[in-house]
Amino acid sequence: AQSVTQPDIHITVSEGASLELRCNYSYGATPYLFWYVQSPGQGLQLLLKYFSGDTLVQGIKGFEAEFKRSQSSFNLRKPSVHWSDAAEYFCAVGAFGRQLTFGSGTQLTVLP
Amino acid sequence: DADVTQTPRNRITKTGKRIMLECSQTKGHDRMYWYRQDPGLGLRLIYYSFDVKDINKGEISDGYSVSRQAQAKFSLSLESAIPNQTALYFCATSEVGQTYNEQFFGPGTRLTVL
Repeated sequence: AQSVTQPDIHITVSEGASLELRCNYSYGATPYLFWYVQSPGQGLQLLLKYFSGDTLVQGIKGFEAEFKRSQSSFNLRKPSVHWSDAAEYFCAVGAFGRQLTFGSGTQLTVLP
Repeated sequence: DADVTQTPRNRITKTGKRIMLECSQTKGHDRMYWYRQDPGLGLRLIYYSFDVKDINKGEISDGYSVSRQAQAKFSLSLESAIPNQTALYFCATSEVGQTYNEQFFGPGTRLTVL
């Protein structure tokens, strides 16, 4: 069975600082990987996705993520965080014929 | 206008009551999903439907039922609500394709069972 671990429940960064949110997955074959963001009172919005090819993927709002097969990781990064990035972030793994499995989420707080 | 809408957005009910949450979409997608979100647990799949005649149980279907009234409508029912069904419920849609397609989420329904 596939699974996703987001080891950081809550992260606090200062505005302008860099950000890295961790995601580790477990799946036997090459997975499909996603990062979603949930702003307060909103549904989930897709930030980026990885299916195959270049292991560094660019997303919306200046986010990027790198797929590392050897580490079973798909960490999300942003070089300079804005106050509007404060939200909850979910990593998800899927595969053809299987449904999405979500991580437990990481809550991001941005200090002024 | 939102592509995936959910009604109601908030609902407070009592134990034992029957509740229906509704989801409508204008994206033209065949696939629809119901998830619940609990703090610290992320999103868990309740039911999903690949078309009007296809309904499948997800990870946590006990205590829930669904109805796919049309391609655009997918309802979730709690026949007899209990307090541990208090959660944030999301509907999502995706299109059929050869690759794993992203899911598009509604704004959520916050349900409280007293």
